[in-house]
Amino acid sequence: DIQMTQSPSSLSASVGDRVTITCRASQSISRFLNWYQQKPGKAPNLLIYAASSLQSGVPSRFSGSGSGTDFTLTISSLQPEDFATYYCQQTYTTLSWTFGQGTKVEIK
Amino acid sequence: EVQLLESGGGLVQPGGSLRLSCAASGFTLTSYAMSWVRQAPGKGLEWVSGIRGNGESTFYADSVKGRFTISRDNSKNTLYLQMNSLRAEDTALYYCAKGASIVGNALFDYWGQGTLVTVSS
Repeated sequence: DIQMTQSPSSLSASVGDRVTITCRASQSISRFLNWYQQKPGKAPNLLIYAASSLQSGVPSRFSGSGSGTDFTLTISSLQPEDFATYYCQQTYTTLSWTFGQGTKVEIK
Repeated sequence: EVQLLESGGGLVQPGGSLRLSCAASGFTLTSYAMSWVRQAPGKGLEWVSGIRGNGESTFYADSVKGRFTISRDNSKNTLYLQMNSLRAEDTALYYCAKGASIVGNALFDYWGQGTLVTVSS
């Protein structure tokens, strides 16, 4: 199975900060990488697909990059509504998809 | 409007069984892959099982293989997860998620609100 490792597990940041979260795959997954945001008590919400494509309706302050084994999610200017947990997901292997362990973004 | 409504969760003893349902509306199950994803209390997301849109193939995480069965009723547009031989570590909020493919990349574009399964004596 492909393992996904996110770092950091949590971070504290202030409104307006630039935030970067990394995700590393245990083997190459090309660009089959998605990012989700989950707020407390809510289902996850798709932010980025195919490593760098912004899902419709998602603010442009979110961006993704990477390919192969190393990926990043960047929030260019953190907003109050962005405090949440973020998960990467690989979809390289057909219907055997794995998530990273999550990165919790908290208010400093 | 796409909606997914899970039901069937509850408290069950170790070794017991439970069947979860996910009623879909706004789209036809036969046109999309569907999955179950779970989240243990305070933990991250774990993909559990999936079924292709054509229904011909099903897939399971190693942690549930041989104990869980995914299926669907096309006439009711409803997805199921039959869970047998339940263990304490199966305790989680279970989400159903609609699959989609954009430029060849699979993803989950809609999620239900989840149904809670608690395995405890």
